[in-house]
Amino acid sequence: LAKTTQPISMDSYEGQEVNITCSHNNIATNDYITWYQQFPSQGPRFIIQGYKTKVTNEVASLFIPADRKSSTLSLPRVSLSDTAVYYCLVGDTGRRALTFGSGTRLQVQP
Amino acid sequence: ETGVTQTPRHLVMGMTNKKSLKCEQHLGHNAMYWYKQSAKKPLELMFVYNFKEQTENNSVPSRFSPECPNSSHLFLHLHTLQPEDSALYLCASSQGQGRNEQFFGPGTRLTVL
Repeated sequence: LAKTTQPISMDSYEGQEVNITCSHNNIATNDYITWYQQFPSQGPRFIIQGYKTKVTNEVASLFIPADRKSSTLSLPRVSLSDTAVYYCLVGDTGRRALTFGSGTRLQVQP
Repeated sequence: ETGVTQTPRHLVMGMTNKKSLKCEQHLGHNAMYWYKQSAKKPLELMFVYNFKEQTENNSVPSRFSPECPNSSHLFLHLHTLQPEDSALYLCASSQGQGRNEQFFGPGTRLTVL
């Protein structure tokens, strides 16, 4: 399974765009990149998933360069309620479950 | 509401007690998971079931015993736990394993005295 590396924490202010980058140098050809969000004392929640280039949904955008060795989760105009831990996971449709790493703790301030 | 429910939401037990955590999913998924999350730590995958068969056991101590009677229900039986087992226990389900989206329950906050 591909190992991922993310910043431990990030700070931002309301209304700003936040970009969280994840490194996955040994990503395999069949692997997808998935991001989850977790609030304190709750289970993680799926945000977005992609394979290459750019994916956008109502919550976030995911940018994946051509070499796929990294990815960036972009949260537009964050609010206080976006304060959470964000996890980057890499894996395919195989039988092994994806592994949650340490994640990035995002703190949004007024 | 994610379609995954867990009971109880809070549990306090002594080290000699036996208790069980229950998870139920109403999503028609075939894979179910147990995770442990200790304070300020990443999620630790404990067990994975796919179509009622255990497909992963990540070196979990035998004092944790999972049971999956059908694809909608998952139990975690607890006995002779240690204080360091105090944590948030999360259940999740997905349609297939691997990269498929996991839906998490609200968790059971377990305290072992």
